[in-house]
Amino acid sequence: NAGVTQTPKFQVLKTGQSMTLQCAQDMNHEYMSWYRQDPGMGLRLIHYSVGAGITDQGEVPNGYNVSRSTTEDFPLRLLSAAPSQTSVYFCASSLALGLGNTIYFGEGSWLTVV
Amino acid sequence: SQQGEEDPQALSIQEGENATMNCSYKTSINNLQWYRQNSGRGLVHLILIRSNEREKHSGRLRVTLDTSKKSSSLLITASRAADTASYFCATPTYISGGYNKLIFGAGTRLAVHP
Repeated sequence: NAGVTQTPKFQVLKTGQSMTLQCAQDMNHEYMSWYRQDPGMGLRLIHYSVGAGITDQGEVPNGYNVSRSTTEDFPLRLLSAAPSQTSVYFCASSLALGLGNTIYFGEGSWLTVV
Repeated sequence: SQQGEEDPQALSIQEGENATMNCSYKTSINNLQWYRQNSGRGLVHLILIRSNEREKHSGRLRVTLDTSKKSSSLLITASRAADTASYFCATPTYISGGYNKLIFGAGTRLAVHP
């Protein structure tokens, strides 16, 4: 049982490049989400999914796309990277967020856009 | 806007002392959760308190919740150097038909000196 696995751990992109952050969980969780964490701030929700085939926007969705073709995987795509997207990204999963279930976080992906 | 806001932003204490962190939130909640984040790592769930609970204990952790004041506190007793981390409160918020958004505060950075 690996929990929530994110790749890559570190990435440097040039402005305008695209890339995908991978997230996988092996706990059969329905709820998955992506957050970004910037210095001095808490985590802000980018996109979330309540099950395979269902995604929705969070607080800061612009510049990011997601899909949920399987229960296990929830990739985050940066379409055209901008310096403002330099941040630490966390994927998280839970059985069902609103019922008091524990949320499990990945170890984070450090992204720098130059 | 952030739902949870921690206070203080930073706290520096000696080993053996107690550490108290406070969290305020703005809207009605069904539960409030505390997380720890070690430097360079993901968030780890510490404790959840439901809206009908006033106090909860877990090892050296004590969490209180005052729904009339929309505030919670996390007390770490007999602190250790290994407790050095950032601590966040988070509350599930209702959007799109469910409690699908976990809102985090900016966190309290705790430093415990040997």
